[in-house]
Amino acid sequence: AQRVTQPEKLLSVFKGAPVELKCNYSYSGSPELFWYVQYSRQRLQLLLRHISRESIKGFTADLNKGETSFHLKKPFAQEEDSAMYYCALSPLAGDKIIFGKGTRLHILP
Amino acid sequence: DTGVSQDPRHKITKRGQNVTFRCDPISEHNRLYWYRQTLGQGPEFLTYFQNEAQLEKSRLLSDRFSAERPKGSFSTLEIQRTEQGDSAMYLCASSRRGSIGNYGYTFGSGTRLTVV
Repeated sequence: AQRVTQPEKLLSVFKGAPVELKCNYSYSGSPELFWYVQYSRQRLQLLLRHISRESIKGFTADLNKGETSFHLKKPFAQEEDSAMYYCALSPLAGDKIIFGKGTRLHILP
Repeated sequence: DTGVSQDPRHKITKRGQNVTFRCDPISEHNRLYWYRQTLGQGPEFLTYFQNEAQLEKSRLLSDRFSAERPKGSFSTLEIQRTEQGDSAMYLCASSRRGSIGNYGYTFGSGTRLTVV
């Protein structure tokens, strides 16, 4: 079964501290992995894709196939990072994206 | 093109009534998706279209739900005989698929349905 697990519902981090949002997935093949973000009163938007190997707004995510994880990291949290973050996967040759339940990131001043 | 548009933004309906939502995707995107999101949950897949063809439907989509994309452009999602459990945010998204795989979705703002 295809499944995305985000173990933390809420993560509170002080401004300037490192951030790590955890994501584990269950999929028998090689999926495509994504992180989506939803800021307050805004629509859900793509943050990054693992296949692009890019850094967006200082965030990076490394795919660990052995641990089936795709944790999102940022070395120094900023207040504007406060948002809801969703990890998601799609079968490599497919289109449907399956989302985790999300983690709310709260950056403390 | 300003992105994915959904109409209405909010809908309050009485139990048993029918409702219809509309989604206008990004014009160059040939794939269109419907998701449902309830409080504390991530978006749950309902169905998707490639052009006008409906390629997959989730088991979440009961017989009371129907979606169309008649000309491969906008799409409608209809819920017949609404129930209180249908109350949720209904999200539409569109995408294009390239040679290196799934580019990810562009989401609309959603239609919030409240069944009273």
